[in-house]
Amino acid sequence: KAGVTQTPRYLIKTRGQQVTLSCSPISGHRSVSWYQQTPGQGLQFLFEYFSETQRNKGNFPGRFSGRQFSNSRSEMNVSTLELGDSALYLCASGGGNEQFFGPGTRLTVL
Amino acid sequence: EDQVTQSPEALRLQEGESSSLNCSYTVSGLRGLFWYRQDPGKGPEFLFTLYSAGEEKEKERLKATLTKKESFLHITAPKPEDSATYLCAVRSNDYKLSFGAGTTVTVRA
Repeated sequence: KAGVTQTPRYLIKTRGQQVTLSCSPISGHRSVSWYQQTPGQGLQFLFEYFSETQRNKGNFPGRFSGRQFSNSRSEMNVSTLELGDSALYLCASGGGNEQFFGPGTRLTVL
Repeated sequence: EDQVTQSPEALRLQEGESSSLNCSYTVSGLRGLFWYRQDPGKGPEFLFTLYSAGEEKEKERLKATLTKKESFLHITAPKPEDSATYLCAVRSNDYKLSFGAGTTVTVRA
């Protein structure tokens, strides 16, 4: 079974720009969660989608948004990028209680 | 608010020197406690799920245990390839997953 895939793997943007990250979950999984990981804050929950509906949301500003498509693929968008948005963005796919992570997208904001 | 605290922050072991990592938690209704391993620059790799106090899970040199307030990850006779950051997470009744800051384990040959 193929694992969770995330594209792109690396991204460099400048302040003020926007970015869209993509995640394809494990086949059959209907839940997709997004996390931000930084050295100082660790893994922080952004949001979770289940069957195209946002089921949970973390404590991030409205610049961070996401959506899930009917094939369970998900996208995350960050608008008006700030330097502090530089991080590893991880997507996790769930078919039950466990979550399985993708390799992440490394976003650098200059 | 759910809280997960891991200790120690870092652990340096000699190959073969067994040790334990601690994860203490407060959560509104535990739907599962999870252990992950993360290598630098990669996504976390799922290791174990524990659901109720007294439960134990084993995989190779790793063994996870659970009480009502904490979980331990025991590493028996570690090898250099066990070097990684080990993350603990809890899922609460609202399905949110909260992670600890992790314990970075370094095993020297």
